[in-house]
Amino acid sequence: QSALTQPRSVSGSPGQSVTISCTGSSSDLRGYNYVSWYQQHPDKPPKLIIYDVSERPSGVPDRFSGSKSGNAASLTISGLQDEDEGDYYCCSYEGTFVFGTGTEVTVL
Amino acid sequence: EVQLVESGGGLVKPGGSLRLSCAVSGFTFNTYSMNWVRQAPGKGLEWVSSISSSNYIYYADSVKGRFTISRDNAKNSLYLQMNSLRVEDTAVYYCAKEFGMGAFDYWGQGTLVTVSS
Repeated sequence: QSALTQPRSVSGSPGQSVTISCTGSSSDLRGYNYVSWYQQHPDKPPKLIIYDVSERPSGVPDRFSGSKSGNAASLTISGLQDEDEGDYYCCSYEGTFVFGTGTEVTVL
Repeated sequence: EVQLVESGGGLVKPGGSLRLSCAVSGFTFNTYSMNWVRQAPGKGLEWVSSISSSNYIYYADSVKGRFTISRDNAKNSLYLQMNSLRVEDTAVYYCAKEFGMGAFDYWGQGTLVTVSS
């Protein structure tokens, strides 16, 4: 149950796009389509923004998109906005759950 | 409106026990899998345990043998009995409703567990 690997931080200016990678090590993402992504603001619980690799829950802006290729998943935030600043976590489900190490997104 | 409200956190000495509760409302509790997820201060998320609507139970290796998850569908409540607590169990514990396969769509506000002598 090793954590999935994410970059520690990414940053971008308002309006730009950023992509966060999520790579399996001993956890293999390759054969599974149960990857979800969560946004967390300070002192708040996480919020689901992507499920089943690329699906958005109702109410989540379409500037958030997810994808998977081989053993890696990605979250892209297009048209970065100030409120997108926060921590982002990927999560893989294979009967049990494994979270990624987390990525801090900074809007410059 | 869906609500998940955790309680039962607090300060406990190493080796001690605590029982967390999560009271839920706003959805048909007995038809969904439920989970506990924790977050150590300044650290990332860690999945702890899940219990399905049919009472299939899974644990993270880090808590197996020490923590016990349970549910009371009549009371719309989820529980986590934590025994033999360690300093490294210090964290905010969230209960989370499972959505579809492999996602958490609703989270509580969390309850802080501090294990310290």
